[in-house]
Amino acid sequence: GENVEQHPSTLSVQEGDSAVIKCTYSDSASNYFPWYKQELGKGPQLIIDIRSNVGEKKDQRIAVTLNKTAKHFSLHITETQPEDSAVYFCAASKAGGSYIPTFGRGTSLIVHP
Amino acid sequence: EAQVTQNPRYLITVTGKKLTVTCSQNMNHEYMSWYRQDPGLGLRQIYYSMNVEVTDKGDVPEGYKVSRKEKRNFPLILESPSPNQTSLYFCASSLSGSQPQHFGDGTRLSIL
Repeated sequence: GENVEQHPSTLSVQEGDSAVIKCTYSDSASNYFPWYKQELGKGPQLIIDIRSNVGEKKDQRIAVTLNKTAKHFSLHITETQPEDSAVYFCAASKAGGSYIPTFGRGTSLIVHP
Repeated sequence: EAQVTQNPRYLITVTGKKLTVTCSQNMNHEYMSWYRQDPGLGLRQIYYSMNVEVTDKGDVPEGYKVSRKEKRNFPLILESPSPNQTSLYFCASSLSGSQPQHFGDGTRLSIL
């Protein structure tokens, strides 16, 4: 089955710095890669996603890149703000077949004011 | 407002006492799932359902049951809870397997 590795497990940055979280996956058939943000006491919420026919996607301060050959994808947050502090999860899944998206173990991002 | 609603949000109970966590979504989504979240392990899928009366096991189904009698509801049943099922549980729904999931706010279960 699919295996998703996520690094780092904890990331501490100063406000205004950039943050990068990386994930690798094992199943070359995976074609959908969402990123979720989980704030304290809440469920994960989608912040950005990318499909395998696209190499990069941006939404304001957030971007995701995908390298299908190397089977890794990354979340980039620029100009970090204290409200970006949360746990971030990457995931990988594929259209068709059994519906079991595989999640990374999460990255706790701390943005210091 | 589009949402996934779980109840209860918190529950402390004892080993062996059957319990049900309800989940309801108002987005007419086909897919629904249950996850458990444990420190250092991320989100692991327990069961999922692709449509009414269609359910299948996820990665960690042992000790759990589900049913999907109506499109909007997907209850999680622990027939004989044990302490190793103490965890934070999330229900999620989506249009399909390769679409964004919408999560509920979680149910924290403590089994003593």
